Amino acid sequence: DVQMTQSPSSLSASVGDSVTITCRTSRSVRDYLNWYQQKPGKAPKLLIYAASTLPSGVPSRFRGSGSGTDFTLTITSLQPEDFATYFCQQCFTTPAFGQGTTVEIK
Amino acid sequence: EVQLVESGGGLVKPGGSLRLACVASGISFENAWMTWVRQAPGKGLEWVGRIKGNSDGATTDYAAPVKGRFAISRDDSKNTLYLQMSGLTVEDTGVYFCSKYDWSDGEYYFFHSWGHGTLVTVSS
Repeated sequence: DVQMTQSPSSLSASVGDSVTITCRTSRSVRDYLNWYQQKPGKAPKLLIYAASTLPSGVPSRFRGSGSGTDFTLTITSLQPEDFATYFCQQCFTTPAFGQGTTVEIK
Repeated sequence: EVQLVESGGGLVKPGGSLRLACVASGISFENAWMTWVRQAPGKGLEWVGRIKGNSDGATTDYAAPVKGRFAISRDDSKNTLYLQMSGLTVEDTGVYFCSKYDWSDGEYYFFHSWGHGTLVTVSS
């Protein structure tokens, strides 16, 4: 099984800040890595697939990068609606999710 | 528009059983790969298992913690996905979401459409 390690587990930021979340896998998953956003009481929302591709409708302030075992999700110019929890997920083998990173308002 | 609507959650005693359902609309359900993902209270997302589409043999795969206790099935005539859960423990408590595998370039998959989830509480 591929183990997922996300960091940090939480961070505080202000509207307009840029933040970066890291996801590391226990072995290479090439670029088979997705990112999701989840707000309390809601289902997850797909943000990025194949490490760096944004689905239609996702704002361009979200950027994914990386390959192999190290990946990042960067949110530039944080907006009020971006305060949420973010999960990475590898889709190279049986799906596995990271533990999540909560972005809180400073 | 894809819609997935789960039902069947509730309170069950340890050792008990429960069957969840997920009704899909807006998709060609028969050949869709479907999955269950759960989330314990205040915790992260955990993949539970999946069933392939009819054209791919409708085979199933499960996460280790539920293998042998949970069974995923589908009724294509009703556009409905099921999760039969037995031998439930308190660790199975959480919100259960159904989702659909979506594909890019025939090799990258992701979960784009999700239901709202149904809460399962295992407690004596």
